[in-house]
Amino acid sequence: EIVLTQSPATLSLSPGERATLSCRASQSISVHLAWYQQKPGQAPRLLIYDASNRATGIPARFSGSGSGTDFTLTISSLEPEDFAVYYCQQRSNWPLTFGGGTKVEIK
Amino acid sequence: EVQLVESGGGLVQPGRSLTLSCTASGFTFGDYAVSWFRQAPGKGLEWIGIFKSKTYDGAIQYAASVKGRFTISRDDSKSIAFLQMSSLETEDTAVYYCSRGGVVVQQTVFDYWGQGILVTVSP
Repeated sequence: EIVLTQSPATLSLSPGERATLSCRASQSISVHLAWYQQKPGQAPRLLIYDASNRATGIPARFSGSGSGTDFTLTISSLEPEDFAVYYCQQRSNWPLTFGGGTKVEIK
Repeated sequence: EVQLVESGGGLVQPGRSLTLSCTASGFTFGDYAVSWFRQAPGKGLEWIGIFKSKTYDGAIQYAASVKGRFTISRDDSKSIAFLQMSSLETEDTAVYYCSRGGVVVQQTVFDYWGQGILVTVSP
């Protein structure tokens, strides 16, 4: 099973700041990584797939990069609605797995 | 508008069975995979299983934690999928989500999700 490790667990930032979230895979997954956003009481929302492709309707302030084992989600300038938990998910091997999540909270 | 709606959740005793439904609308259900996920209270996301579209390869995969206890099925004519859960354990307590698998050819990126439904396994 591929283990995804997200860091940091919590990121405390102010609106307008840049957020950089990391996801590391236990073995190479090429670019087969997606990022999801989840707010309390809501379902996850797809942001990025295959490392760097924004999903339909996702604002340009969200960007993804990386390949192999190291991946990054960047939010260029945090909006109030961006404070949430973010999960990475790999689709390279079965079983599909998620990282433990990074909570982006208001500082 | 694409929608997925889960139903059938609730309180169930350990060892018993429960079946969740996922009713889809707003797209051609048979062209997409359907996948189930869960989230235990205060925890992260866990993938349970997937049933790929029969127009792709119709493959079914399960997580090890549920294999042999949970079964995913689908009725494309009614745009509905099911998650049959048996031998339920207290550790199965979670919010369960169904999701549409598409975006990529392998149907393993999930772009639309239901609102989730709570399953509580307790004596």
